[in-house]
Amino acid sequence: GNSVTQMEGPVTLSEEAFLTINCTYTATGYPSLFWYVQYPGEGLQLLLKATKADDKGSNKGFEATYRKETTSFHLEKGSVQVSDSAVYFCALRVTSGTYKYIFGTGTRLKVLA
Amino acid sequence: NAGVTQTPKFQVLKTGQSMTLQCAQDMNHEYMSWYRQDPGMGLRLIHYSVGAGITDQGEVPNGYNVSRSTTEDFPLRLLSAAPSQTSVYFCASRLRDPTIELTGELFFGEGSRLTVL
Repeated sequence: GNSVTQMEGPVTLSEEAFLTINCTYTATGYPSLFWYVQYPGEGLQLLLKATKADDKGSNKGFEATYRKETTSFHLEKGSVQVSDSAVYFCALRVTSGTYKYIFGTGTRLKVLA
Repeated sequence: NAGVTQTPKFQVLKTGQSMTLQCAQDMNHEYMSWYRQDPGMGLRLIHYSVGAGITDQGEVPNGYNVSRSTTEDFPLRLLSAAPSQTSVYFCASRLRDPTIELTGELFFGEGSRLTVL
C-alpha cells in the first residue's frame, strides 16, 4: 500500500543550524510529494511540492528533492530561524483514482535562539 | 481572505453526547474533507466530498456522519461521542481540476480540538 515514513521528533536545533528532516515513501504509480507545515495553533499549510522525479521544490529557504531511486523527499534548510519552529508533515498523492492524500506522522522542530 | 473556517475551536463533550463540527470555505472548492490528527499517527481521513450531494468514506469513518448540501459547507457530525474520538479535527478543501489533480494544494482550517470525557 501507499505510505509515508518520517523521522521521529522532536528535533531541537540552535538558530542558524542546518536542518534535515527525512521522509521516505512507498507508492504505486507516480506520486506527487508535498511538505506541509503546521505552526502553533494553526492549520497545515503547503510549504513546497514536487510532482516528478528529480524535481526540487523550494520555498522560504526550504528545499526538497524528489528522489525516485531512493523513494525519498527529505526536507532541508541551510540556516533555521526561531520562527521555523513548527510541525512538518511529508505527504504524497498517487494516481489511484481517489482523492486521498497520505500524510506522515509529522516531525516537530524546535529552534532555540 | 477567510479561506477555510472551522467552528468551534474547542469543545468538551461527555460520552454519548452529539455535536456537529462546522466547516465552511469561500474559495468555491468542489473537494472538501475531514481529517483527525492524533499523536504519533499523523492525519487520517475521515470523510470527503467531491461536490454538493456527494460524500464518501475515508480510512476512519466509524462514528462520524457527513453531508454536503452546498458547495461551501461540509459539517461533521458525531452522533454519540466516545473518548476514542478525542482528537484535533481539520477540515481541508481544494479545487477539483483534472489539470492539477495530483498537484493541487489542500487548504486547511485552523482545527477544532475535541475532548470527550
